[in-house]
Amino acid sequence: DVVMTQSPLSLPVTLGQPASISCRSNQSLLYSDGNTYLNWFQQRPGQSPRRLIYQVSNRDSGVPDRFSGSGSGTDFTLKISRVEAEDVGVYYCMQGAYWPRTFGQGTKVEIK
Amino acid sequence: EVQLLESGGGLVQPGGSLRLSCVASGFTFSNYAMTWVRQAPGKGLQWVSVITDSGGSTKYADSVKGRFTISRDNSKNTLYLQMNSLRAEDTAVYYCVKAGLWGQGTLVTVSS
Repeated sequence: DVVMTQSPLSLPVTLGQPASISCRSNQSLLYSDGNTYLNWFQQRPGQSPRRLIYQVSNRDSGVPDRFSGSGSGTDFTLKISRVEAEDVGVYYCMQGAYWPRTFGQGTKVEIK
Repeated sequence: EVQLLESGGGLVQPGGSLRLSCVASGFTFSNYAMTWVRQAPGKGLQWVSVITDSGGSTKYADSVKGRFTISRDNSKNTLYLQMNSLRAEDTAVYYCVKAGLWGQGTLVTVSS
């Protein structure tokens, strides 16, 4: 199985400051169709997860533009340009290039 | 409104069976592959199974292969997960997922 490794696992941030989460895979997520299948999910406390980003850098409908995704191959990043209180939760990356799909361990974002 | 509504969770003894359902609304269900993802209490996300839009192809995580069966009834806009030979480690909230859309989840507890 493809192993997804996130860092850090815990991220205390100051409101209004930027935040960055890294996700690395042990195999390239570049698929034969030319797309790279890396998604980011947010899970707020007590809620179901929701997808923020698909195919590395495409924001889902309704996702604030302070969220951005970047990367290629095996190395990916989720950035929050200015953290707001509603951004508290756990963030997961997930690869969609291989079966079975696999998730990172999750990064807990909290306010300092 | 686009929505996924899971049901069927509950308490079951080890070795028992349970069938989860997920009713979809607000989109053309038969056009989309559907996925089950689970989350053990206090843990991260684990991909469980996927079924193509027609139901003609399925895939499973190794941990559930041979015990769980995913199926769908496109005439009823419903996704199913038949879970047999349940184990304590299957205890989790089970989410029905369509691309970026997640249901609210249904809790399965396997315990004597």
